Amino acid sequence: DARVTQTPRHKVTEMGQEVTMRCQPILGHNTVFWYRQTMMQGLELLAYFRNRAPLDDSGMPKDRFSAEMPDATLATLKIQPSEPRDSAVYFCASARDGNYGYTFGSGTRLTVV
Amino acid sequence: EDQVTQSPEALRLQEGESSSLNCSYTVSGLRGLFWYRQDPGKGPEFLFTLYSAGEEKEKERLKATLTKKESFLHITAPKPEDSATYLCAVQEGGTSYGKLTFGQGTILTVHP
Repeated sequence: DARVTQTPRHKVTEMGQEVTMRCQPILGHNTVFWYRQTMMQGLELLAYFRNRAPLDDSGMPKDRFSAEMPDATLATLKIQPSEPRDSAVYFCASARDGNYGYTFGSGTRLTVV
Repeated sequence: EDQVTQSPEALRLQEGESSSLNCSYTVSGLRGLFWYRQDPGKGPEFLFTLYSAGEEKEKERLKATLTKKESFLHITAPKPEDSATYLCAVQEGGTSYGKLTFGQGTILTVHP
């Protein structure tokens, strides 16, 4: 089965450090999404790309978060500087044409201490 | 702004005890309503997409239905392996290119 691959699976970092999360979407999928999941807020959309172009990043704190797609096989989400409130599970998902059920990765569990 | 509300927040069933999960939504022009299953420590797994009122889809013990204001996920004779969090999401029409708005989920526990 085709999979969305996220690395790392777990990350513990100190407040103020830079964190980079990576995602390899399914080959042929042209839409990539970044979601954050917490107990309080559930799944929140942070940003998404179509054909590598950013479409919407209004869900991200602009001063500290950035999302990019250097090429069709890699999406990155960076937090600099990280804060304890950023602790959450970050999911990447990909879809073809954006009109079908996404396929989610297994997530990166981030803990900022 | 799209809104999705799921109820109940948690549901405990005995094995074989059928029940339904509810998803109420507010959206400007529904393109699709999605159901996902999420197991602990994993990403959501796609189950169904429903596109228009009256549509139904089935997969094993699960059946999803859609009206103009809500969707139901019916679970018939559940087994312990059906225990998971079930998430509902809506996709707005227009040029949203697939952006989904999720509900908070229903945590289902099925006891043997």
